[in-house]
Amino acid sequence: AQSVTQPDARVTVSEGASLQLRCKYSYSGTPYLFWYVQYPRQGLQLLLKYYSGDPVVQGVNGFEAEFSKSNSSFHLRKASVHWSDSAVYFCVLSAGTGYQNFYFGKGTSLTVIP
Amino acid sequence: DPKIIQKPKYLVAVTGSEKILICEQYLGHNAMYWYRQSAKKPLEFMFSYSYQKLMDNQTASSRFQPQSSKKNHLDLQITALKPDDSATYFCASSQLGGDTQYFGPGTRLLVL
Repeated sequence: AQSVTQPDARVTVSEGASLQLRCKYSYSGTPYLFWYVQYPRQGLQLLLKYYSGDPVVQGVNGFEAEFSKSNSSFHLRKASVHWSDSAVYFCVLSAGTGYQNFYFGKGTSLTVIP
Repeated sequence: DPKIIQKPKYLVAVTGSEKILICEQYLGHNAMYWYRQSAKKPLEFMFSYSYQKLMDNQTASSRFQPQSSKKNHLDLQITALKPDDSATYFCASSQLGGDTQYFGPGTRLLVL
């Protein structure tokens, strides 16, 4: 069965610091992996996605993520966070294209202290 | 302009009543989905529709019924509402053959 684990429910960092949000997935096939962000009282917005190729993928607003098949991980990183990055970040797994279900992690709530 | 519209934004209902959540997408997609986000659980997949036909149903309760009157509409009818139904319901859409789902802003439902 597919599943996604985000081990950190809450992360607090100071503005300008680097960031890593962790994500581990469980899936026997080739995963499609996504990071979505949910700002307060808003819907989910796509940050980046990975299916194949370079394991480091670039997203919007300076975010990147690195896929590791050996570790079954897809960690999100940012070199220098801004207070506006405060939001909930979801790691998402899909089994493929088409009408595939999305499997969400529980989310990591990021607070950036100015 | 918003590409996925969900109405209403907020909804308060009494236990036992019935409500319909509206979703319209203007992305030209042919697959649509409903997800639920409650305080106690992560975002959960509920339904997927493609070309107005049900493709997958992961909702145990028959009180939740999707309705698709047009190919870019997927409404969610919820009957006999319970307080546990209180959650934010997100509609999403994608292109068949595509890998990315796009989400609407959600409808926050509170059942008293």
